[in-house]
Amino acid sequence: DAKTTQPNSMESNEEEPVHLPCNHSTISGTDYIHWYRQLPSQGPEYVIHGLTSNVNNRMASLAIAEDRKSSTLILHRATLRDAAVYYCILRRSDSWGKLQFGAGTQVVVTP
Amino acid sequence: DSGVTQTPKHLITATGQRVTLRCSPRSGDLSVYWYQQSLDQGLQFLIQYYNGEERAKGNILERFSAQQFPDLHSELNLSSLELGDSALYFCASSVTGNPTGELFFGEGSRLTVL
Repeated sequence: DAKTTQPNSMESNEEEPVHLPCNHSTISGTDYIHWYRQLPSQGPEYVIHGLTSNVNNRMASLAIAEDRKSSTLILHRATLRDAAVYYCILRRSDSWGKLQFGAGTQVVVTP
Repeated sequence: DSGVTQTPKHLITATGQRVTLRCSPRSGDLSVYWYQQSLDQGLQFLIQYYNGEERAKGNILERFSAQQFPDLHSELNLSSLELGDSALYFCASSVTGNPTGELFFGEGSRLTVL
């Protein structure tokens, strides 16, 4: 399975945008890029996913590089509730949907 | 609330014992996944079922087994428990096993082995 690389942690001020990078240089053409987050003492929660084009939803935006070897999750205005571990995951189209989590990025939001 | 229900929320047992964790997926979801989260290993995929059949296997020990029943609920059985099995066990469900689908996670079952 292709691997992802994320920074261990990032800090942001409340109401500021947060850009979370993810490198996936060995991504294959049929790998989907998924982002999940895990708030303290909770199960992981879906954030967004994409294949080639940039994606937006109510929670975040996903910007995918043209060569697909990296992507960036954008939280437009961080709130205290966004403090969580964010996981960038590649999901193979033939993998029957299993998600392989890495270490993720711990996001700290400061008031 | 994700709609995925896991019981029990907390479980304390002794080494060598056997426990069963239960998961009720969201209504209509056919696929169930089990994950283990420990401090040193992070979130590890264990096994996936789709409509009663095993579809994918991860780092699941031979002492562990799982099944998905006709009503789609799933059980994870852990036997000959060791101290290192202490962890949070998460169940997730999705409509299908489609890689574009969203997984919904339960709140987890915290197992402590003494």
